[in-house]
Amino acid sequence: GAVVSQHPSWVICKSGTSVKIECRSLDFQATTMFWYRQFPKQSLMLMATSNEGSKATYEQGVEKDKFLINHASLTLSTLTVTSAHPEDSSFYICSARWPWETGGILGEDVNQPQHFGDGTRLSIL
Amino acid sequence: GQNIDQPTEMTATEGAIVQINCTYQTSGFNGLFWYQQHAGEAPTFLSYNVLDGLEEKGRFSSFLSRSKGYSYLLLKELQMKDSASYLCAVLDSNYQLIWGAGTKLIIKP
Repeated sequence: GAVVSQHPSWVICKSGTSVKIECRSLDFQATTMFWYRQFPKQSLMLMATSNEGSKATYEQGVEKDKFLINHASLTLSTLTVTSAHPEDSSFYICSARWPWETGGILGEDVNQPQHFGDGTRLSIL
Repeated sequence: GQNIDQPTEMTATEGAIVQINCTYQTSGFNGLFWYQQHAGEAPTFLSYNVLDGLEEKGRFSSFLSRSKGYSYLLLKELQMKDSASYLCAVLDSNYQLIWGAGTKLIIKP
């Protein structure tokens, strides 16, 4: 079954609207989540790495003031596309990895595969 | 720079075998992943190789040669549902995942 849940699946809205996308890890806690964007017939492009309790790490060329990321809990990260425009229309996907835990300390197991949410198709009119 | 190469598109026949190659040049290596992505859907994990050799999982197998910077995904007994894009991704020395552009596999009856 799914290990990462993403909501909503589809969003169609007017230019200038802000859109929030939620990513939840199911049955595990994720200290780190990843946000990707994918344009038609292109590969995944990492936008940012979301870190629980701290600021997200953005990839070069991604505007952090436009793509706001909040990782307020160990099971939820949100991506808000602020003042969206037609060029922001894309497929947005989040992912997370199973954690390791030792001595009560939770960390990210970097050798685990990333498990993806179902993605959000964003269309800005 | 870091680079991962895969063929853009391949075509195969239902019931046959197909091999999708991936070559990489990355700053360090901590493992290689293969993902399947159907059109309009998110990727799903297929395999992970960190040591040289072949890993078999049902109809799918993945091979790695670290000295050659090379991997392949082997799909046997192809089914129509295997039509998808197959993404190769390498975990570099900083544990960043570097993605290939993907190989679109078309299965014909």
